[in-house]
Amino acid sequence: AQSVTQLDSHVSVSEGTPVLLRCNYSSSYSPSLFWYVQHPNKGLQLLLKYTSAATLVKGINGFEAEFKKSETSFHLTKPSAHMSDAAEYFCVVSLSGGYNKLIFGAGTRLAVHP
Amino acid sequence: DTGVSQDPRHKITKRGQNVTFRCDPISEHNRLYWYRQTLGQGPEFLTYFQNEAQLEKSRLLSDRFSAERPKGSFSTLEIQRTEQGDSAMYLCASRAQGVNTEAFFGQGTRLTVV
Repeated sequence: AQSVTQLDSHVSVSEGTPVLLRCNYSSSYSPSLFWYVQHPNKGLQLLLKYTSAATLVKGINGFEAEFKKSETSFHLTKPSAHMSDAAEYFCVVSLSGGYNKLIFGAGTRLAVHP
Repeated sequence: DTGVSQDPRHKITKRGQNVTFRCDPISEHNRLYWYRQTLGQGPEFLTYFQNEAQLEKSRLLSDRFSAERPKGSFSTLEIQRTEQGDSAMYLCASRAQGVNTEAFFGQGTRLTVV
C-alpha cells in the first residue's frame, strides 16, 4: 500500500533561518510526489512536484525538495524563512494505479517567528 | 480559467437535515475528486469521477453520502441525515489526465452540523 508520513506535526523557525519539513513515503512503484501548502482560509496550492525527471525539484516561493529513493524521502526545504511562509504543508503521493488518486500526509504546521 | 469553485463556502445545518454541495471544476479537466478534511488532519479521499463516471468510492463514504457528476461537468456531493461527525471541510479538486498532473483544489465548503 502506498502512504505518506510527515515526521513533524509542528515546526517553528525564526524569520531568515532555514526551513526543513520532512516527508517519507511508502510506494511499490516509482511514485509521483507533491508538496501542497494551505494558508488559513485559502485553498490548497501546489508548491512543487516530483515526476522522475530530476531528483532535486524547485518550486514556488524559493522552496525545493529532494527525492531520495534509498531513503524513501521527499523533504521540503527553504534557505530562508519569511513570515508569509507560515501555513500548513502537505506531502502528497499520487498512486500509480487506482485512478492516480492523491494520498495526503497529516500535514506539518510551520510557524515563523520574527 | 477561473479555477475550481465550490458553493457554498460555509454551511451550518441541524443534525438530521440533508445538505448538498456543488463543485465546478476547471472546464478542460476530466478528472474530479472529493476530499474531506477535519481539523488538524490531511485531506482524506472520498470519491473520484472520470468524466461522468464515478469510478472509486472510499469506505469513508457511507450510504448517507452520494455524489454525482452529470454530463461530466460540475459535481454535487449530498449528505443525507447529517450527523455531528460529518462536520468538516469538504474539498473538491480537478485534474487533467496523467499520473503527474497537478490537482487544482477549490477553497472548500465548511460544514458545521449542530
